[in-house]
Amino acid sequence: EIVMTQSPATLSVSPGERATLSCRASQSVSSNLAWYQQKPGQAPRLLIYGASTRATGIPARFSGSGSGTEFTLTISSLQSEDFAVYYCQQYNNWPFAFGPGTKVDIK
Amino acid sequence: QVQLVQSGAEVKKPGASVKVSCKASGYTFTSYGISWVRQAPGQGLEWMGWISAYNGNTNYAQKLQGRVTMTTDTSTSTAYMELRSLRSDDTAVYYCARAVEWFDPWGQGTLVTVSS
Repeated sequence: EIVMTQSPATLSVSPGERATLSCRASQSVSSNLAWYQQKPGQAPRLLIYGASTRATGIPARFSGSGSGTEFTLTISSLQSEDFAVYYCQQYNNWPFAFGPGTKVDIK
Repeated sequence: QVQLVQSGAEVKKPGASVKVSCKASGYTFTSYGISWVRQAPGQGLEWMGWISAYNGNTNYAQKLQGRVTMTTDTSTSTAYMELRSLRSDDTAVYYCARAVEWFDPWGQGTLVTVSS
């Protein structure tokens, strides 16, 4: 079973700054990795799939990179609506595990 | 637009069962799978399992094997998740999501509370 880890657990960032979130898999998942954003009281929303492909309607300030076991989600210039929890998820092998999440809050 | 609409909140006693529905619209239901994910209060996301809406094949999380059953009704484009022998730690928001490999979109969530 693949275990996903994310760092940091909490990231404090000022609006307009860059945020870099990390995700690691316990074994290779190739590029079969997705990122989701979840705001309080809402369902998660797909941001990135295939490690680097933005989902429909996702702004260009969100970018994903990596393959194998190391992945990064970058938000180039944080907007007020970007403060949320971000989860990575591998879909290379059952079970499709999620990471524990990174909370991005206002500095 | 693609949309998944889930059934309403439930309150159940320990040992009971719950069945949550997820009605899909805006796409060909049998061309995708449906995954179920739950989120306990203040916690992260836990994948529960997946069902193919094409042929009904399923894959369940090992920890839920024997207690969970996922089904679909292609005549109404609806997926169902039944969880039996409920315990207090099953209290969570339950989400369905259209599953290609990634999950998009998600339903609005159904709160299931297990309490005596």
